[in-house]
Amino acid sequence: EVQLVESGGGLVQPGGSLTLSCAASGFTFSDSAIHWVRQASGTGLEWVGRIKSKASNYATVYAASVKGRFIISRDDSKNTAFLQMNTLKTEDTAVYFCTRLAYNSTWYGLDVWGQGTTVTVSS
Amino acid sequence: DIVMTQSPDSLALSLGERATINCKSSQSVLYTSNNKNYLAWYQQKPGQPPKLLIYWASTRESGVPDRFSGSGSGTDFTLTISSLQAEDVAVYYCQQFYTTPLTFGGGTKVELK
Repeated sequence: EVQLVESGGGLVQPGGSLTLSCAASGFTFSDSAIHWVRQASGTGLEWVGRIKSKASNYATVYAASVKGRFIISRDDSKNTAFLQMNTLKTEDTAVYFCTRLAYNSTWYGLDVWGQGTTVTVSS
Repeated sequence: DIVMTQSPDSLALSLGERATINCKSSQSVLYTSNNKNYLAWYQQKPGQPPKLLIYWASTRESGVPDRFSGSGSGTDFTLTISSLQAEDVAVYYCQQFYTTPLTFGGGTKVELK
């Protein structure tokens, strides 16, 4: 079964750090671009950033709202991607999803999603 | 950044009625080298992650019922549910993947009247 499973969410104080994990199974993780998307309670979807595959030099790009604070990385030997979140703000409180950008001759959409992990930033 | 604007914000329809959701991008998402619109539609039910319904503006993802269809090109797109079923109650999002940052529309909540 093609699957992504996030973990690592929790309660953290403003200014703190947290690292989320995204474990993949059922597909060739090393060939895939992995994106992170978040959703604050009762609101819409906000793209956070992405990491490409080794073939694209693990290129990363981030949303302006998290650039300089969040770092996306991956360990292809463990089929896992990571979202390291530093200098957290209350507005970072959200459910965080990892997701795969599917490819079939060209990109075609975010076709596999994890169930999400909740991050709460509060004192 | 490409801004995605969806309308309406919400829609209340009876079972069997047609639902039409519009999405407009602030710039074209048509990739001219392959003539594909880098526009997708997602369905999200409460407590669940989004589910890919339509990609390249009009191609249905495997397993998606044929009552869902997408149309449009360039900057104007539409998701249509031809005959609303109870299980279609959800929030629907359009999204462009033409360029980063990837951006989503604000969502359209579809409810039963």
